[in-house]
Amino acid sequence: GENVEQHPSTLSVQEGDSAVIKCTYSDSASNYFPWYKQELGKRPQLIIDIRSNVGEKKDQRIAVTLNKTAKHFSLHITETQPEDSAVYFCAAPDMRFGAGTRLTVKP
Amino acid sequence: KAGVTQTPRYLIKTRGQQVTLSCSPISGHRSVSWYQQTPGQGLQFLFEYFSETQRNKGNFPGRFSGRQFSNSRSEMNVSTLELGDSALYLCASSLNFRAEGEQYFGPGTRLTVT
Repeated sequence: GENVEQHPSTLSVQEGDSAVIKCTYSDSASNYFPWYKQELGKRPQLIIDIRSNVGEKKDQRIAVTLNKTAKHFSLHITETQPEDSAVYFCAAPDMRFGAGTRLTVKP
Repeated sequence: KAGVTQTPRYLIKTRGQQVTLSCSPISGHRSVSWYQQTPGQGLQFLFEYFSETQRNKGNFPGRFSGRQFSNSRSEMNVSTLELGDSALYLCASSLNFRAEGEQYFGPGTRLTVT
């Protein structure tokens, strides 16, 4: 099956800083790359996704970039806020999830 | 539109017993996927059902099985429970195949095996 590596496993930033989480996958046969956010005690929810025919997608403070040649895609959060604190998961083409990144935004 | 629902929300079982978990997808969604979530292992894919057929299966032993009914509702069964099966079991539904679009997760069933 598809392998996906997600880094870093934990990330701590000051409010207002940027955060970047990267996922690397091994299978190139896919068109869909989502990112999910899971707040403590809640269910995962999609925050942004990208399809392989574009290299970047942005939604307010959140952006995702995709490099199909290098087989990696990244989540970028700018101007982080305390409510961004959560675990973030990427999903590889075969919808195998990465191990997650625990983001902590310190006020 | 009602979200994904799962029953029961909490369950305590003894080693060796079996358990059945239920998931009702969003109306109109044809795909239901199941995941096991533990603190150290993240979200582990169990299987996906689409139109009553299992499409994909993760790396779990045969003790884990599932099925999907004609109304898209799905059940997951775990037989001969082990302590290591204690986890949060999440189901997620999507309009089409899970690898093609957004998945909507249910609240999960917290299973504790003693």
